[in-house]
Amino acid sequence: QVTLKESGPGILQPSQTLSLTCTFSGFSLSTYGMGVGWIRQPSGKGLEWLANIWWDDDKYYNPSLKNRLTISKDTSNNQAFLKITNVDTADTATYYCARLSLYSGPFAYWGQGTLVTVSS
Amino acid sequence: DIQMTQSPASLSASLEEIVTITCQASQDIGNWLAWYQQKPGKSPQLLIYGATSLADGVPSRFSGSRSGTQYSLKISRLQVEDIGIYYCQQASSATWTFGGGTKLELK
Repeated sequence: QVTLKESGPGILQPSQTLSLTCTFSGFSLSTYGMGVGWIRQPSGKGLEWLANIWWDDDKYYNPSLKNRLTISKDTSNNQAFLKITNVDTADTATYYCARLSLYSGPFAYWGQGTLVTVSS
Repeated sequence: DIQMTQSPASLSASLEEIVTITCQASQDIGNWLAWYQQKPGKSPQLLIYGATSLADGVPSRFSGSRSGTQYSLKISRLQVEDIGIYYCQQASSATWTFGGGTKLELK
């Protein structure tokens, strides 16, 4: 059974760095074809893809945010991470992590999401 | 960047009606297209991947098709539980994009 769960600070101030953790089970990021992606959704708005990391450590970023994003993984502990630097109120959103697979669809499994609010 | 233009933005339909949502890609993405359904307060759920393949556990009334760079999601007989917001997403390039979403309501 595949599960994912996001965790984050809840609230942070403008200009700080947002650190998010995705803890998952039911698959391994050391397995060929597997990956984890991050997606966010401001309240009442659409989905925005942020970044992907694959089993071979290939990383891809949304070009509009690329300079501020860093994705990484800890294969031993079944975790993936996303950092967003220099946040502002526009980064307020629910952040999701989701499993990637070369075989069964880009985002077949999603976490429940974690709400991040940027406020002074 | 590849842009995905989804239409309509909102749609009102009756139970048992056929519903079609479309997504236009700004360039060739092959079959690298997925559809998701999102219900209020919930995470999105994968419906279709590879433009036409039904994801596990998804009812067969959902189907996907492709004509060139235009992609369609069809619900053959609308049910109450199908109400929500639908998104397309391209996974062709190294960087991925979602369509703007279609809000499906009951008439």
